[in-house]
Parts: sequence; C-alpha cells; structure tokens
Amino acid sequence: ILNVEQSPQSLHVQEGDSTNFTCSFPSSNFYALHWYRWETAKSPEALFVMTLNGDEKKKGRISATLNTKEGYSYLYIKGSQPEDSATYLCAFQAGTALIFGKGTTLSVSS
Amino acid sequence: IAGITQAPTSQILAAGRRMTLRCTQDMRHNAMYWYRQDLGLGLRLIHYSNTAGTTGKGEVPDGYSVSRANTDDFPLTLASAVPSQTSVYFCASSDSVGADPYGYTFGSGTRLTVV
Repeated sequence: ILNVEQSPQSLHVQEGDSTNFTCSFPSSNFYALHWYRWETAKSPEALFVMTLNGDEKKKGRISATLNTKEGYSYLYIKGSQPEDSATYLCAFQAGTALIFGKGTTLSVSS
Repeated sequence: IAGITQAPTSQILAAGRRMTLRCTQDMRHNAMYWYRQDLGLGLRLIHYSNTAGTTGKGEVPDGYSVSRANTDDFPLTLASAVPSQTSVYFCASSDSVGADPYGYTFGSGTRLTVV
C-alpha cells in the first residue's frame, strides 16, 4: 500500500505569518503530485498539480515545490490570512487514481 | 447542474438495507472516483472508473459495487449496509486518466449513517 505522509498534522499561526507544510510520497512510479485545499463543510478544491521534478507552482500567496527524486513536496503560504484556514491535502498519483495524505489543518488567527 | 452532483446529501440507513449513492457530472470527464472520508484516516479510494464501461477497485472496495453505464453517472451501491460503512462519501472526476492539470473535481459529499 502506497503511503503519503503530511506534516505537521495541524498548525496554528497568527495573521501575517508565513508557513509551510510537507508532503512525503514514494519516489518510485511517480506520475503526479496534487495539492488540494479543503474548507470545513465544503469539497476539496484543487490548488496545484505537479508532474516534473523541480516544478514550482504559484497561485497568489500560495506556492508549492516538488522533488520527485527524494519524494517530497512543500506547500508555502506567505502572509497567512484567516481565510486561509483549511485542511491542505496532498495526493500522490502513480497510475489511475490519487492516494491522499491525511492533511495538514491550518488555523489562522486575526 | 454545474460540476458534480451527489445525492442524497445525507441519509440514515438501517443495517442490512441496500443503498445507492448517486453521482452525476456534466463536464464530460472520462474518469470518475468514489472516496470515503473517515476521521483520522483521510480520503480512501473505494472504486474508480477510467472511462464509461470500465471500473476498478480501490483501497477499500469490500461491501461496495459501482457501475459506469455512461460518461455522466457513477453510482455507488451498498448491497447490505453495515455500521462500519458510516462515513462521508465523495464522488470525484477528472478530465483524463493521466495527470489532469486542473486536478480532480469533487462533489459536495453524502453523509451516510448506518444504524
């Protein structure tokens, strides 16, 4: 069974802080790495899909990097805002479907 | 309809009863998936379908069956519900079997309680 690990499990920061999370995944049979944002009582929404080693993606204050050789990805949030509070999921894709990590839950206080 | 529609939104079901969770998408996505979400376990894949007419088993398929008669619909059936199937069920779709650059689109979920 493929294992996708995310750390930390949860995180509490103050408004304006920058933060980052880690996603570890198998380095073999890699096809793509996904990041999703999941707000309470809503559905997961795709942030990034990365396929190439060294990929960097950015959307506003959120960015992600990918290292397929060592099997990790970082998600960065610059200047956290209360509306960034959510669970951030990463998902590893080796073939047909995604294998999700358990997520990092971010809480941003104003 | 915009995106993925799941029905019902929630359901309380007696153990031993049969139940079908409905999932319909209007994006003409080839691939569709069923996940269950359980506290502490995250999203786990139940079944998937790469294209109409084909299905496959995911990580936790036991007790569930699916069909994909057409592109738009991907129902999940519990033949005889058990309490361990109490969960939130999410249907998702993607534009291709490979790495869809837009990621998966998820439905709003069905909260199922088996008593």
